[in-house]
Amino acid sequence: GAVVSQHPSWVICKSGTSVKIECRSLDFQATTMFWYRQFPKQSLMLMATSNEGSKATYEQGVEKDKFLINHASLTLSTLTVTSAHPEDSSFYICSASSGLAENYNEQFFGPGTRLTVL
Amino acid sequence: GENVEQHPSTLSVQEGDSAVIKCTYSDSASNYFPWYKQELGKGPQLIIDIRSNVGEKKDQRIAVTLNKTAKHFSLHITETQPEDSAVYFCAASINYGQNFVFGPGTRLSVLP
Repeated sequence: GAVVSQHPSWVICKSGTSVKIECRSLDFQATTMFWYRQFPKQSLMLMATSNEGSKATYEQGVEKDKFLINHASLTLSTLTVTSAHPEDSSFYICSASSGLAENYNEQFFGPGTRLTVL
Repeated sequence: GENVEQHPSTLSVQEGDSAVIKCTYSDSASNYFPWYKQELGKGPQLIIDIRSNVGEKKDQRIAVTLNKTAKHFSLHITETQPEDSAVYFCAASINYGQNFVFGPGTRLSVLP
């Protein structure tokens, strides 16, 4: 159980276009979803935290108008990279938490989405 | 805010040997410490975690120890196998997993 999927797994786009990445919890309801960014050979950096039905909370230095996050249901969150530029090229990973006290809000990670902006 | 350090950054061991990765954290309020394994091109996978009210936890070949006084925790892998080769991340959370701060990662190579 506790499977999180992401789509697409790899996307290549032209500079200036927008890209949407989906994160789905397949077998549980995720009250909270997290979006991370990972550069090659580096650690995961939290971008934002989103709770179903409310606005996402962005980490310092992350532009909310650049990285639009929507958490419309308990099983789906989307990250839209608007007007993407080459420096936005990265590995984007989501995680989901059920919010159940007995598992200490354990986060289950998706497989990641590799974004390449030409 | 919380700061998590991790050592070593790279680790090579012979198959069958043990591997130990250590992490330190700065915020004494941290209460949940997971370890993740990430293979190339994939998302992190939880391999073991420990809560602040426990000093040690073991799951087959993997164990984690926590020293709250010293604010450090360690991952121990025994009888290493080539498939253990990956990048391992530790993390710390002050609110039971809601917000993680990850360590920089350790690249483990198990040589056959």
